Amino acid sequence: EIVLTQSPGTLSLSPGEGATLSCRASQSVSSRYLTWYQQKPGQAPRLLIYSASKRATGIPDRFSGSGSGTDFTLTIKRLEPEDFAVYYCQQSGSSPTWTFGQGTKVEIK
Amino acid sequence: QVQLLESGPGLVKPSETLSLTCTVSGGSVSRDYWSWVRQPAGKGLEWIGHIYSSVTYYSPSLWSRVTMSVDTSRNQFSLEMSSVTAADTAVYYCASGPWSLDYWGQGTLVTVAS
Repeated sequence: EIVLTQSPGTLSLSPGEGATLSCRASQSVSSRYLTWYQQKPGQAPRLLIYSASKRATGIPDRFSGSGSGTDFTLTIKRLEPEDFAVYYCQQSGSSPTWTFGQGTKVEIK
Repeated sequence: QVQLLESGPGLVKPSETLSLTCTVSGGSVSRDYWSWVRQPAGKGLEWIGHIYSSVTYYSPSLWSRVTMSVDTSRNQFSLEMSSVTAADTAVYYCASGPWSLDYWGQGTLVTVAS
């Protein structure tokens, strides 16, 4: 089973700052199968980025994803108040089993 | 636009079987991947498994207790988890998508307690 390790666990930033979130896999994952989600308190997760770098419908372009192999990154340029949330990466490459990272919380400093 | 709605008992006794149903609108359960994900309070997301065209795939840590099925006549898919304990208390989400989970239900809280 592929283990995804996200870092940092918590990111304390101010609105307007940029955020860089990391997702490291225990073995290589095809970019096609690496996904990022955003989750706000009391809500279901929302699809943010799929195939490592493709923004889902309606996702602002301040969100971008990159990476390959075992190292993937979610970047948020100029944090807006609504961006403070928990972000999860997920892989579906080691089919048939999927796994999530443990999450990174982006909180207001 | 696919919409998903979970339903089922909010309280299950220890050692009994948890049963949840996800009703799908805007899509067909006879196609695509249909998943269950859970989240204990204050913790991260855990993939439980998915079903595709009646073929099932389960998390290695849960496979011995989990069964998923589809009901094409009702356009629903279901989760059963046997021998539950307090550790199975969580919000359970149904979701859909072939590699990424594009659509999610609102989630339903299941508490395991006597």
